[in-house]
Amino acid sequence: DSGVTQTPKHLITATGQRVTLRCSPRSGDLSVYWYQQSLDQGLQFLIQYYNGEERAKGNILERFSAQQFPDLHSELNLSSLELGDSALYFCASSLGPNTGELFFGEGSRLTVL
Amino acid sequence: EDQVTQSPEALRLQEGESSSLNCSYTVSGLRGLFWYRQDPGKGPEFLFTLYSAGEEKEKERLKATLTKKESFLHITAPKPEDSATYLCAFTYGGATNKLIFGTGTLLAVQP
Repeated sequence: DSGVTQTPKHLITATGQRVTLRCSPRSGDLSVYWYQQSLDQGLQFLIQYYNGEERAKGNILERFSAQQFPDLHSELNLSSLELGDSALYFCASSLGPNTGELFFGEGSRLTVL
Repeated sequence: EDQVTQSPEALRLQEGESSSLNCSYTVSGLRGLFWYRQDPGKGPEFLFTLYSAGEEKEKERLKATLTKKESFLHITAPKPEDSATYLCAFTYGGATNKLIFGTGTLLAVQP
């Protein structure tokens, strides 16, 4: 158990809908990361937050947004969903903004029908 | 373009048959090279960080090494429980911790 909690574990929705994925980092970790993993693309970095502020941005679509709240949990919002958004979405956390090791949650599996 | 390539894509070993996984990288200003293990349907689990050429780290049957262009994950006398996908990743440049992952090597160890 990495100490990172993600909910929901599974989510099935329809195209055009909007979903929110939630992540609680390990106790004491200030930095949160979101990754997308699909079969054909591997693990793709989406975005990083550190202590509530956006720190780095990767290949995150404009339809996607995220934030980190004062209690350090984070949410990833996915809107106008398309079939291609079906993937595993992982949250990870680390102590600082540049700390080497990331600790990953179990992921949220999103299926868009 | 900064990138990392892992080989082989898949590897099947007999229990006890040692081997190595390769991670080749082209990165300007490498800050760290990381190895993770991922079991099916689970999140990646951190194994090692390497920061400079010549560095080595060991954990049980695994040993990671780093040169200026590649990293190896050596698996000595593997057991079936070592079966997983092994991912390498790197961070580079400025003040972020953005990990760029390779596509992984799927290792299967047969008893």
